[in-house]
Amino acid sequence: GAVVSQHPSRVICKSGTSVKIECRSLDFQATTMFWYRQFPKQSLMLMATSNEGSKATYEQGVEKDKFLINHASLTLSTLTVTSAHPEDSSFYICSAPTRTGQRYYGYTFGSGTRLTVV
Amino acid sequence: KQEVTQIPAALSVPEGENLVLNCSFTDSAIYNLQWFRQDPGKGLTSLLLIQSSQREQTSGRLNASLDKSSGRSTLYIAASQPGDSATYLCAGESRGAQKLVFGQGTRLTINP
Repeated sequence: GAVVSQHPSRVICKSGTSVKIECRSLDFQATTMFWYRQFPKQSLMLMATSNEGSKATYEQGVEKDKFLINHASLTLSTLTVTSAHPEDSSFYICSAPTRTGQRYYGYTFGSGTRLTVV
Repeated sequence: KQEVTQIPAALSVPEGENLVLNCSFTDSAIYNLQWFRQDPGKGLTSLLLIQSSQREQTSGRLNASLDKSSGRSTLYIAASQPGDSATYLCAGESRGAQKLVFGQGTRLTINP
């Protein structure tokens, strides 16, 4: 089946540094990638939508200068958390609507990245 | 604006029981509905997708149904096993809005 490969799975960084999270679609082209944030024991909160070759669309209240999203190819989208602070510590997950040929499989999610800012 | 609600928030049952998880949504213009499973600290695994022209889908011991007129979807798990313990999330995609709206999830515990 379709896979979205997300890396790293865990990262610890110092306050003030930047962290890049990658999501790659395997075996299908992801023209759109959604980025979510999840707090403990809560559901997913959509942060932004990236489209290949164009600027990302951010949800209300999400700082686009802090959470930089790049979707440079049909198989790779990245989220960079800039000047990270402890309050940015969270679980980040990407997702892409999955199509191969004429068949639609729904949304495929990455395995998530646990970010801890110390 | 689409809102998705899942009941119950948590459920604990003994192994072997059949159970039903409920999902309701406010906008009947829902296009696709997808059920996911999430294990602690992990991403989401797709279980079943019900597309716009469908009313139910089955995979092994799982069956999901969608009733757009009543704004409800149910996930039926037959002969539950401890390995079914996880959080189950339903998410709807409305026509014209290419993004998923999630419920808060049902945390399921199957006791051996």
